[in-house]
Amino acid sequence: DAKTTQPPSMDCAEGRAANLPCNHSTISGNEYVYWYRQIHSQGPQYIIHGLKNNETNEMASLIITEDRKSSTLILPHATLRDTAVYYCIVRVARRDDKIIFGKGTRLHILP
Amino acid sequence: GAGVSQSPSNKVTEKGKDVELRCDPISGHTALYWYRQRLGQGLEFLIYFQGNSAPDKSGLPSDRFSAERTGESVSTLTIQRTQQEDSAVYLCASSWRGIGTEQYFGPGTRLTVT
Repeated sequence: DAKTTQPPSMDCAEGRAANLPCNHSTISGNEYVYWYRQIHSQGPQYIIHGLKNNETNEMASLIITEDRKSSTLILPHATLRDTAVYYCIVRVARRDDKIIFGKGTRLHILP
Repeated sequence: GAGVSQSPSNKVTEKGKDVELRCDPISGHTALYWYRQRLGQGLEFLIYFQGNSAPDKSGLPSDRFSAERTGESVSTLTIQRTQQEDSAVYLCASSWRGIGTEQYFGPGTRLTVT
């Protein structure tokens, strides 16, 4: 079973920041938080991951709470191309482990 | 560089026939995964290969499903005696063994069983 809880859907206006929450209250100390997204009719795409510090890359920022029980993926300036299903996943990263996908959040970017 | 490739991109088959789906992982990636995604559903883990270790087959839904991998390269997923409920997109992913590795997914094979 997935170890994360996400809202089933969210709307965000184009050009605004999209903030996608994820709860992972049972996360273990050696588990990372990963985010993937799946645009319609495509395979999932890796976005970002982190352990406890906030992370930023060219796609997004990841904010992890101090107790690590929740996190937020931030798309700073959402575009229509960011419309996708976003998956938050926790997994051990010291060995390759199967990823258990939950239902994700369907993000609609509104023009 | 080249990503994960899968073939065919689309496959239509009659109920009861066998099908083979192919995955070419990124060169150098030691881990390979197969997932299934039914229409409107999330990803369902099927099987995982890591190097020469025994594969993790815990997600295979029935004994009609099997998969093989040649060394650390190509993998084939075989579905015997296909059923209509096997209709789905079958996704392959690969990753390099290491700390904090992410998976790279192929475009998938859309299987339709009529």
